Amino acid sequence: EEQLLESGGGPVQRGGSLRLSCAASGFTFGDYAMSWVRQAQGKGLEWVSSISGSGGSSYFADSVKGRFTISRDNSKTTVFLQMNRLRVEDTAVYYCTKVPAPIVGTITYFQHWGQGTLVTVSS
Amino acid sequence: SYELTQPPSVSVSPGQTARITCSGGALPKQYSYWYQQKPGQAPVLLIYKDSERPSGIPERERFSGSSSGTTVTLSITGVQAEDEADYYCQTSDSSGTVAFGGGTKLTVL
Repeated sequence: EEQLLESGGGPVQRGGSLRLSCAASGFTFGDYAMSWVRQAQGKGLEWVSSISGSGGSSYFADSVKGRFTISRDNSKTTVFLQMNRLRVEDTAVYYCTKVPAPIVGTITYFQHWGQGTLVTVSS
Repeated sequence: SYELTQPPSVSVSPGQTARITCSGGALPKQYSYWYQQKPGQAPVLLIYKDSERPSGIPERERFSGSSSGTTVTLSITGVQAEDEADYYCQTSDSSGTVAFGGGTKLTVL
C-alpha cells in the first residue's frame, strides 16, 4: 500500500524557517515526481512546489518562489520542503502528493495524498 | 499563471445527477483533473486527463468527466448523501505550473 507521511509542521514566527519532510513507502520512489500542495483553513487548494523523480528539476508557485526550496533523497524515499522567510499567509495544512510520472509538465496531477501537516505562522 | 473558475456551491437531491463546471482559457490545450475532499480529510483523485477514472474503486463509477472548449464538467450520477463534499478541478502546463479551481461545495438536499 502506498503511503505518504508528512512531518515537521508546527508554530513558527513570521520571518522564521521550517523544514517539512514526507516519508514515502509502497512504491518505487525515484520513478515519480513529488509535489506539495497547501490549504489554508476554510480555503481552497494551492499548489506550492514540485520536484522531478531524479531531483534534477523543481518548480514553484509565484507565491513561494525565492523563499521555499524542494529537495528529495531517493535513498531514503523522502521529499523535503524548506520554507524560509515565512509569512502569516503561509499558514496552512501542507500535503505531500505523488505525481504519477517521473517528470512534471502537462500531465501533472496528484494521484496520492498524505494526511498533511499544519504550519502556523504567527506575527 | 492562469485561473480556473468553479461555482462556489451546487445543490442536488438524492438520486439526481450533479454537474460541477470548471472554466478556464487554458483548458482547450491542457488536461483537467478532479478531486473530492470531505471535511477533515485529504483530497482524493476522482478523474484524470479530462475523463479517465482511476481503477479499482467501484463506488467511483458514478463519477465522470467531460470537456468542451473552455469548460470541463464533473458529473455525479445517482447522487448519494456520502457525495456531499468539496470538489476541485486542476490543470497543469508544460512549464510545470499547476492551477486549482476555487472549489465547489456539493450539498445533497
